[in-house]
Amino acid sequence: AQKITQTQPGMFVQEKEAVTLDCTYDTSDQSYGLFWYKQPSSGEMIFLIYQGSYDEQNATEGRYSLNFQKARKSANLVISASQLGDSAMYFCAMRKGGNFNKFYFGSGTKLNVKP
Amino acid sequence: GAVVSQHPSRVICKSGTSVKIECRSLDFQATTMFWYRQFPKQSLMLMATSNEGSKATYEQGVEKDKFLINHASLTLSTLTVTSAHPEDSSFYICSAIGSSYNEQFFGPGTRLTVL
Repeated sequence: AQKITQTQPGMFVQEKEAVTLDCTYDTSDQSYGLFWYKQPSSGEMIFLIYQGSYDEQNATEGRYSLNFQKARKSANLVISASQLGDSAMYFCAMRKGGNFNKFYFGSGTKLNVKP
Repeated sequence: GAVVSQHPSRVICKSGTSVKIECRSLDFQATTMFWYRQFPKQSLMLMATSNEGSKATYEQGVEKDKFLINHASLTLSTLTVTSAHPEDSSFYICSAIGSSYNEQFFGPGTRLTVL
């Protein structure tokens, strides 16, 4: 069974500092995709970053980077230079390789950025 | 990125009525659309997956007759909550994927309140 685990229900970070949000996954597939989404209090889901299982380089998108450690099955999100607007829920998700049309979501991490 | 709209954004209805929620991909053809339900402070729960022109695939525990999904075109899917009851009150989010993208794009969500 596919499973995404986010062990940090809540995190605090000081503005301008970096923060790492943890995500581990469990799959026997060789081909899969990993995603991070941000959900502000307004509710919309905002795509942040994607990592393919065959990608050798860690994905980066602006202040977001994904620390992909395939052997450990972890896909941690690193946010550099945190901003107050980064306060939100963050969800890690996996797209199953054999069935590209299904995504599995973690339980989420609530990030609070302190001024 | 691609844009997905969802309408209405908020609906309040009386118990026993039916509510239809529309999900549209505005600038791309959605090969697959998903419907999620989200309870407060919880993760997204996948309800069903729909492909254009075919019957939706429902997740275990989701009542097909209660949550009717129609995917009439490559840009439109609808979710109808039939004979809604207070326990159906929730945040419903649709998403869509296209052939040119790895990630799924989310609509802004619909907050349903059944009195």
